[in-house]
Amino acid sequence: AQSVTQLGSHVSVSEGALVLLRCNYSSSVPPYLFWYVQYPNQGLQLLLKYTSAATLVKGINGFEAEFKKSETSFHLTKPSAHMSDAAEYFCAVTLEKTSYDKVIFGPGTSLSVIP
Amino acid sequence: GAGVSQSPRYKVAKRGQDVALRCDPISGHVSLFWYQQALGQGPEFLTYFQNEAQLDKSGLPSDRFFAERPEGSVSTLKIQRTQQEDSAVYLCASSVLRGLSPPGELFFGEGSRLTVL
Repeated sequence: AQSVTQLGSHVSVSEGALVLLRCNYSSSVPPYLFWYVQYPNQGLQLLLKYTSAATLVKGINGFEAEFKKSETSFHLTKPSAHMSDAAEYFCAVTLEKTSYDKVIFGPGTSLSVIP
Repeated sequence: GAGVSQSPRYKVAKRGQDVALRCDPISGHVSLFWYQQALGQGPEFLTYFQNEAQLDKSGLPSDRFFAERPEGSVSTLKIQRTQQEDSAVYLCASSVLRGLSPPGELFFGEGSRLTVL
């Protein structure tokens, strides 16, 4: 069965610093991978997704992620953190073989941005 | 509306009460999902509908949980005889049906926060 792990339940960065949120997946077949963001008291919003078209994926708000099959990773980065980036970030996976988008989420990483 | 709408946003129930949570998906979205999100955790899959058909209910934690989507649009998640461990945010999401193209985006509502006392 597929699963997702996120290293670090809480990450703090200074405003303007690099953001790096880690995600590793476990899957026996090629996965589709996603990053979702959740702001306080809101639903989840898609940041970006990997669907095998390109290993480096660009998303909204300046975020990007790189799929590395050899490392089974899909880490999320942003060159310069902004205060508005403070939120909960979830890595997620779904399998190509499923007929619908059953998305499995990781436990999440809470990002704090220090002024 | 333009997005997924859930009601109520907040629900407090006494242990043993029945609750019903409503989800109004984006118009035209065939797929509808329910997730349970405990405090500080990621969303956990509960059940999936394709139109009115419930194709996957493998994530429902017990037979006290029941979901329906009778006309293929609005869905209701019902929890009978609520327990304290049912306290969580219940998220509804909808999407277009996956065809031959890669999976699309799940559109989430803001969730219904259930507190069982």
